[in-house]
Amino acid sequence: GQQVMQIPQYQHVQEGEDFTTYCNSSTTLSNIQWYKQRPGGHPVFLIQLVKSGEVKKQKRLTFQFGEAKKNSSLHITATQTTDVGTYFCAGPPDTDKLIFGTGTRLQVFP
Amino acid sequence: NAGVTQTPKFQVLKTGQSMTLQCAQDMNHEYMSWYRQDPGMGLRLIHYSVGAGITDQGEVPNGYNVSRSTTEDFPLRLLSAAPSQTSVYFCASTRTGTAWGEQYFGPGTRLTVT
Repeated sequence: GQQVMQIPQYQHVQEGEDFTTYCNSSTTLSNIQWYKQRPGGHPVFLIQLVKSGEVKKQKRLTFQFGEAKKNSSLHITATQTTDVGTYFCAGPPDTDKLIFGTGTRLQVFP
Repeated sequence: NAGVTQTPKFQVLKTGQSMTLQCAQDMNHEYMSWYRQDPGMGLRLIHYSVGAGITDQGEVPNGYNVSRSTTEDFPLRLLSAAPSQTSVYFCASTRTGTAWGEQYFGPGTRLTVT
């Protein structure tokens, strides 16, 4: 079955440093979604990418979908303590299922 | 709108007991799903439904049953609880009618099986 891996598993950064998490799928994805989960909370949708090579920005967050549609990345510029949480990518093997990546936990030290 | 609601928030069960985790949404979403979240393993799909009367299995369906008699409700039943089912359970729905759209998650149920 489809597997979606994320690296790194954990990342600790000083406030103001940049952060990147990478998502790799064993199969081609029709689209990729990104979610953020704060400690003790539930996943919250951030963005969906559909096109090969697509790049989208949300303030300090930049999302990219690979040309082959098998990988994606999330880059945060100048992290803040409010960025703390676990970031998940998710991709559908078909229209009825969504497979989540293993997640990257970000800790930001002030 | 209340969005997606889940009850209870916390539950402790003994091995072999059964229980139902409740999930409801008031957004008229056709697609609903259940995930379990374990440390280091992300979210894994248990069961999903594309509409009332239609359910199907996800990645990890064993030990769980679902039904969908109305658009609003999608309960998850644990038939005979086992310690391996200790986890956080999330219910989600999408307005697109498929898994391709934004997933709206409930607040979760933290289940411990002793």
